[in-house]
Amino acid sequence: ELKVEQNPLFLSMQEGKNYTIYCNYSTTSDRLYWYRQDPGKSLESLFVLLSNGAVKQEGRLMASLDTKARLSTLHITAAVHDLSATYFCAVAYNAGNMLTFGGGTRLMVKP
Amino acid sequence: EAGVVQSPRYKIIEKKQPVAFWCNPISGHNTLYWYLQNLGQGPELLIRYENEEAVDDSQLPKDRFSAERLKGVDSTLKIQPAELGDSAVYLCASSLGQAQDTQYFGPGTRLTVL
Repeated sequence: ELKVEQNPLFLSMQEGKNYTIYCNYSTTSDRLYWYRQDPGKSLESLFVLLSNGAVKQEGRLMASLDTKARLSTLHITAAVHDLSATYFCAVAYNAGNMLTFGGGTRLMVKP
Repeated sequence: EAGVVQSPRYKIIEKKQPVAFWCNPISGHNTLYWYLQNLGQGPELLIRYENEEAVDDSQLPKDRFSAERLKGVDSTLKIQPAELGDSAVYLCASSLGQAQDTQYFGPGTRLTVL
């Protein structure tokens, strides 16, 4: 059974600071997604990482994937308040048709 | 392009009552998913459809939950009878159905069972 763990579960940080969210998973997979969810809203796709060593960046967010370590990271650079949300990683299985989600990291960026 | 549409957005019912949720996927998306999201947790898959065929429903509690996707487009998820523990957000997602394809989520239906 595929298990996906994120840490930290909750992160409070000051604007302008850097931080990293970690996503570990238990079985082999070559595809991983990062989603953002604002309170009361649905999930918005941020990144899809398709291979070992993949790195993608959008604005202040950068995601990477290490399939050998079964680890993905979401790095936040110079955080701003608008990044406050819950971030989920999701790992693909069953030939890529199914996703198992982590428990989410609730990020709060304070002015 | 319109996203995944779900209705209703909110539903409050008493336990033992039936309830139904409706989902209209993105046009052209052959694969449709129903997820359950409990407060403070990630979504958990209930059922996946490829066109009108349910290809994975192993996580669907079949004693009280049912789903259908007639004509391979819209889908309905039903609970009968509802229990207190069913209170959650029910999310619908769709994708093209190709390998390495992104799932796009609807806004969800927040169910409260009293």
